[in-house]
Amino acid sequence: DSGVTQTPKHLITATGQRVTLRCSPRSGDLSVYWYQQSLDQGLQFLIQYYNGEERAKGNILERFSAQQFPDLHSELNLSSLELGDSALYFCASSVGFLDTGELFFGEGSRLTVL
Amino acid sequence: GDSVTQMEGPVTLSEEAFLTINCTYTATGYPSLFWYVQYPGEGLQLLLKATKADDKGSNKGFEATYRKETTSFHLEKGSVQVSDSAVYFCALTKGAQKLVFGQGTRLTINP
Repeated sequence: DSGVTQTPKHLITATGQRVTLRCSPRSGDLSVYWYQQSLDQGLQFLIQYYNGEERAKGNILERFSAQQFPDLHSELNLSSLELGDSALYFCASSVGFLDTGELFFGEGSRLTVL
Repeated sequence: GDSVTQMEGPVTLSEEAFLTINCTYTATGYPSLFWYVQYPGEGLQLLLKATKADDKGSNKGFEATYRKETTSFHLEKGSVQVSDSAVYFCALTKGAQKLVFGQGTRLTINP
Protein backbone atom coordinates (compact mmCIF):
# COMPACT_ATOMS: atom_id res chain seq x y z
CA ASP A 1 0.00 0.00 0.00
CA SER A 2 1.59 3.23 -1.22
CA GLY A 3 -0.62 5.46 0.91
CA VAL A 4 -2.04 7.22 -2.15
CA THR A 5 -5.77 6.77 -2.57
CA GLN A 6 -7.63 7.20 -5.83
CA THR A 7 -11.36 7.09 -6.47
CA PRO A 8 -13.21 5.77 -8.31
CA LYS A 9 -11.29 2.66 -9.31
CA HIS A 10 -13.43 2.12 -12.39
CA LEU A 11 -15.65 4.48 -14.33
CA ILE A 12 -17.69 3.90 -17.47
CA THR A 13 -19.28 6.84 -19.22
CA ALA A 14 -20.36 8.08 -22.64
CA THR A 15 -18.77 10.41 -25.13
CA GLY A 16 -19.39 14.07 -24.42
CA GLN A 17 -19.73 13.54 -20.68
CA ARG A 18 -17.66 14.96 -17.84
CA VAL A 19 -16.02 13.06 -14.99
CA THR A 20 -13.97 13.91 -11.92
CA LEU A 21 -11.20 11.72 -10.57
CA ARG A 22 -10.06 12.19 -7.01
CA CYS A 23 -6.70 11.63 -5.35
CA SER A 24 -5.56 11.76 -1.73
CA PRO A 25 -1.77 11.89 -1.45
CA ARG A 26 0.35 10.19 1.19
CA SER A 27 0.26 11.89 4.55
CA GLY A 28 2.83 14.68 4.54
CA ASP A 29 3.34 14.79 0.76
CA LEU A 30 2.84 18.23 -0.74
CA SER A 31 3.25 17.38 -4.44
CA VAL A 32 0.63 15.62 -6.52
CA TYR A 33 1.17 14.42 -10.08
CA TRP A 34 -1.32 13.10 -12.61
CA TYR A 35 -0.35 10.60 -15.30
CA GLN A 36 -2.35 9.00 -18.09
CA GLN A 37 -1.52 5.43 -19.08
CA SER A 38 -2.87 4.16 -22.37
CA LEU A 39 -1.86 1.21 -24.51
CA ASP A 40 -0.54 3.27 -27.42
CA GLN A 41 0.89 6.27 -25.54
CA GLY A 42 2.51 4.66 -22.54
CA LEU A 43 2.68 6.71 -19.36
CA GLN A 44 2.17 10.40 -20.07
CA PHE A 45 2.69 13.17 -17.54
CA LEU A 46 -0.30 15.48 -17.33
CA ILE A 47 0.21 17.98 -14.53
CA GLN A 48 1.82 18.58 -11.15
CA TYR A 49 0.66 20.58 -8.14
CA TYR A 50 2.68 21.59 -5.12
CA ASN A 51 0.92 22.79 -2.01
CA GLY A 52 -2.07 24.00 -3.96
CA GLU A 53 -0.26 25.63 -6.87
CA GLU A 54 0.33 24.34 -10.36
CA ARG A 55 4.06 23.65 -10.82
CA ALA A 56 4.47 21.81 -14.09
CA LYS A 57 2.34 20.98 -17.06
CA GLY A 58 2.77 18.16 -19.50
CA ASN A 59 0.61 16.82 -22.30
CA ILE A 60 -2.68 17.82 -20.75
CA LEU A 61 -5.53 18.58 -23.11
CA GLU A 62 -7.52 21.80 -22.79
CA ARG A 63 -10.60 19.67 -22.04
CA PHE A 64 -8.84 18.47 -18.89
CA SER A 65 -8.22 20.49 -15.77
CA ALA A 66 -7.00 19.80 -12.28
CA GLN A 67 -6.66 21.44 -8.93
CA GLN A 68 -5.21 20.76 -5.51
CA PHE A 69 -7.24 21.78 -2.48
CA PRO A 70 -6.08 23.18 0.87
CA ASP A 71 -6.27 19.71 2.42
CA LEU A 72 -3.86 18.65 -0.39
CA HIS A 73 -6.21 16.26 -2.12
CA SER A 74 -6.43 16.74 -5.86
CA GLU A 75 -9.07 16.34 -8.52
CA LEU A 76 -8.67 15.79 -12.25
CA ASN A 77 -11.63 16.93 -14.32
CA LEU A 78 -12.12 15.47 -17.78
CA SER A 79 -14.82 17.02 -19.98
CA SER A 80 -16.27 16.53 -23.45
CA LEU A 81 -14.97 13.01 -23.26
CA GLU A 82 -13.88 11.19 -26.39
CA LEU A 83 -13.28 7.50 -27.03
CA GLY A 84 -9.54 8.17 -27.02
CA ASP A 85 -9.69 9.37 -23.43
CA SER A 86 -10.22 5.80 -22.28
CA ALA A 87 -7.16 5.05 -20.16
CA LEU A 88 -5.83 4.38 -16.71
CA TYR A 89 -5.27 7.63 -14.82
CA PHE A 90 -2.69 7.56 -12.07
CA CYS A 91 -2.12 9.98 -9.29
CA ALA A 92 1.25 10.05 -7.56
CA SER A 93 2.67 12.07 -4.70
CA SER A 94 6.02 13.09 -3.29
CA VAL A 95 7.22 15.13 -0.36
CA GLY A 96 8.66 17.95 -2.45
CA PHE A 97 9.97 18.42 -5.94
CA LEU A 98 11.22 14.94 -6.69
CA ASP A 99 14.28 15.48 -4.48
CA THR A 100 14.80 11.75 -4.24
CA GLY A 101 13.12 10.98 -7.54
CA GLU A 102 10.63 8.70 -5.86
CA LEU A 103 6.96 9.04 -6.61
CA PHE A 104 4.33 7.06 -4.73
CA PHE A 105 1.56 5.93 -7.04
CA GLY A 106 -2.05 5.13 -6.37
CA GLU A 107 -3.71 2.12 -7.97
CA GLY A 108 -5.25 4.22 -10.69
CA SER A 109 -8.71 5.06 -11.97
CA ARG A 110 -9.70 3.17 -15.09
CA LEU A 111 -11.88 5.28 -17.35
CA THR A 112 -13.83 3.70 -20.18
CA VAL A 113 -15.59 6.01 -22.62
CA LEU A 114 -18.24 4.33 -24.77
CA GLY B 1 13.23 17.21 -25.08
CA ASP B 2 14.31 14.55 -22.64
CA SER B 3 13.20 11.04 -23.48
CA VAL B 4 13.61 7.38 -22.53
CA THR B 5 13.57 4.42 -24.90
CA GLN B 6 13.05 0.88 -23.69
CA MET B 7 13.32 -2.40 -25.51
CA GLU B 8 9.99 -3.45 -26.86
CA GLY B 9 8.13 -6.21 -25.17
CA PRO B 10 6.59 -8.38 -24.24
CA VAL B 11 9.42 -10.47 -22.86
CA THR B 12 8.75 -14.07 -21.84
CA LEU B 13 11.30 -16.12 -19.93
CA SER B 14 11.45 -19.32 -17.97
CA GLU B 15 12.04 -19.29 -14.24
CA GLU B 16 15.73 -18.94 -13.25
CA ALA B 17 16.65 -17.40 -16.61
CA PHE B 18 18.85 -14.30 -16.88
CA LEU B 19 17.03 -11.07 -17.55
CA THR B 20 18.11 -7.94 -19.37
CA ILE B 21 15.76 -5.10 -20.25
CA ASN B 22 17.46 -2.38 -22.25
CA CYS B 23 16.96 1.30 -21.57
CA THR B 24 18.61 4.28 -23.23
CA TYR B 25 17.96 7.93 -22.62
CA THR B 26 18.30 11.29 -24.30
CA ALA B 27 18.87 14.25 -22.04
CA THR B 28 21.10 17.26 -21.70
CA GLY B 29 23.07 17.58 -18.53
CA TYR B 30 23.06 14.92 -15.83
CA PRO B 31 19.72 13.22 -15.24
CA SER B 32 18.92 10.81 -12.45
CA LEU B 33 17.74 7.41 -13.67
CA PHE B 34 15.15 5.05 -12.28
CA TRP B 35 13.44 1.73 -12.78
CA TYR B 36 9.84 1.45 -11.66
CA VAL B 37 7.80 -1.76 -11.58
CA GLN B 38 4.05 -2.19 -11.97
CA TYR B 39 2.63 -5.47 -10.70
CA PRO B 40 -0.78 -6.56 -12.03
CA GLY B 41 -3.59 -4.37 -10.73
CA GLU B 42 -1.26 -2.04 -8.86
CA GLY B 43 0.33 1.36 -9.30
CA LEU B 44 3.98 1.85 -10.11
CA GLN B 45 6.59 1.54 -7.39
CA LEU B 46 10.24 2.45 -7.36
CA LEU B 47 12.53 -0.54 -7.90
CA LEU B 48 15.96 1.12 -8.00
CA LYS B 49 17.72 4.32 -8.93
CA ALA B 50 21.09 5.87 -9.77
CA THR B 51 21.84 9.56 -9.54
CA LYS B 52 25.24 9.91 -11.22
CA ALA B 53 27.43 8.25 -13.80
CA ASP B 54 28.81 4.80 -12.89
CA ASP B 55 26.40 4.46 -9.97
CA LYS B 56 24.80 1.05 -9.63
CA GLY B 57 21.29 0.78 -8.28
CA SER B 58 20.15 -2.54 -6.83
CA ASN B 59 17.10 -3.99 -5.14
CA LYS B 60 15.40 -7.40 -4.88
CA GLY B 61 18.15 -9.00 -6.98
CA PHE B 62 17.79 -6.46 -9.78
CA GLU B 63 20.67 -4.22 -10.81
CA ALA B 64 21.24 -1.36 -13.24
CA THR B 65 24.36 0.73 -13.87
CA TYR B 66 24.27 4.35 -15.03
CA ARG B 67 26.45 4.44 -18.17
CA LYS B 68 26.89 8.00 -19.35
CA GLU B 69 29.14 7.07 -22.28
CA THR B 70 26.38 4.92 -23.79
CA THR B 71 23.45 6.86 -22.24
CA SER B 72 22.07 3.58 -20.93
CA PHE B 73 20.58 2.12 -17.76
CA HIS B 74 19.88 -1.53 -18.54
CA LEU B 75 18.02 -3.61 -15.96
CA GLU B 76 19.43 -7.06 -15.12
CA LYS B 77 18.61 -9.96 -12.85
CA GLY B 78 20.55 -13.16 -12.67
CA SER B 79 17.70 -15.57 -11.94
CA VAL B 80 14.10 -14.47 -12.40
CA GLN B 81 11.10 -15.82 -10.53
CA VAL B 82 7.44 -16.09 -11.46
CA SER B 83 6.76 -13.30 -8.98
CA ASP B 84 8.88 -10.93 -11.12
CA SER B 85 6.17 -10.94 -13.79
CA ALA B 86 5.22 -7.28 -14.16
CA VAL B 87 5.64 -4.22 -16.35
CA TYR B 88 8.97 -2.44 -15.94
CA PHE B 89 9.44 1.27 -16.66
CA CYS B 90 12.70 3.10 -17.09
CA ALA B 91 12.52 6.80 -16.20
CA LEU B 92 14.61 9.91 -15.77
CA THR B 93 14.38 13.19 -13.97
CA LYS B 94 16.59 16.22 -14.15
CA GLY B 95 16.79 19.04 -11.67
CA ALA B 96 13.88 17.61 -9.67
CA GLN B 97 11.51 18.13 -12.58
CA LYS B 98 8.86 15.67 -13.65
CA LEU B 99 9.66 12.02 -14.20
CA VAL B 100 9.83 11.06 -17.86
CA PHE B 101 8.95 7.41 -18.42
CA GLY B 102 9.75 4.96 -21.16
CA GLN B 103 7.01 2.94 -22.81
CA GLY B 104 7.28 0.07 -20.37
CA THR B 105 8.28 -3.56 -20.95
CA ARG B 106 5.91 -6.36 -19.99
CA LEU B 107 7.77 -9.31 -18.49
CA THR B 108 6.20 -12.75 -18.07
CA ILE B 109 8.03 -15.52 -16.26
CA ASN B 110 6.83 -19.07 -16.82
CA PRO B 111 7.39 -21.77 -14.19
